[in-house]
Amino acid sequence: NAGVTQTPKFRILKIGQSMTLQCAQDMNHNYMYWYRQDPGMGLKLIYYSVGAGITDKGEVPNGYNVSRSTTEDFPLRLELAAPSQTSVYFCASSYSQGMAEAFFGQGTRLTVV
Amino acid sequence: GQQLNQSPQSMFIQEGEDVSMNCTSSSIFNTWLWYKQDPGEGPVLLIALYKAGELTSNGRLTAQFGITRKDSFLNISASIPSDVGIYFCAGEYGGSQGNLIFGKGTKLSVKP
Repeated sequence: NAGVTQTPKFRILKIGQSMTLQCAQDMNHNYMYWYRQDPGMGLKLIYYSVGAGITDKGEVPNGYNVSRSTTEDFPLRLELAAPSQTSVYFCASSYSQGMAEAFFGQGTRLTVV
Repeated sequence: GQQLNQSPQSMFIQEGEDVSMNCTSSSIFNTWLWYKQDPGEGPVLLIALYKAGELTSNGRLTAQFGITRKDSFLNISASIPSDVGIYFCAGEYGGSQGNLIFGKGTKLSVKP
């Protein structure tokens, strides 16, 4: 059982480049989330989805876009990478409402130079 | 915006000692969650607390949801080397899904 899988694990981007962070879960969870974690800080919610075709902004959505065309996948898109987006990105999923039931992926460490 | 104050920021303890950390806020939360994060990994849930005054244990870990709903603590008894990591509290409030406010973490180091 893979759980929540994030790819890539590491990436270095140049300013202005774009990329997509992939997240897939095999638990048939309706709820999926993207968080970022800056050094020495807790996680902050970027975007979330309550089901296929439905997405909404979290606390820090600027500079990001998401889509949810299937239950399994929830990619996060950076269109014009900026140094402020250097962070570790975590995807999570849950079966029910409420983060106590959520599983987190291992994270993607992104550096923008 | 809402903030959580987590303390201490770091702890260096001897194996076998007990550990206590806490989170406070000026805001009320519906749920308190405690996570452990190992290097290069995502957070793993340790304990979830759902109502004021609730005291819950998970092995050597015990956590409580404060009566005012604005604070929570986590205790670890008889620490062992594998307890090393960063512990985060998180408060969940109503409104949008996935809205967790995280503390900045407590980094625990255990000397054998």
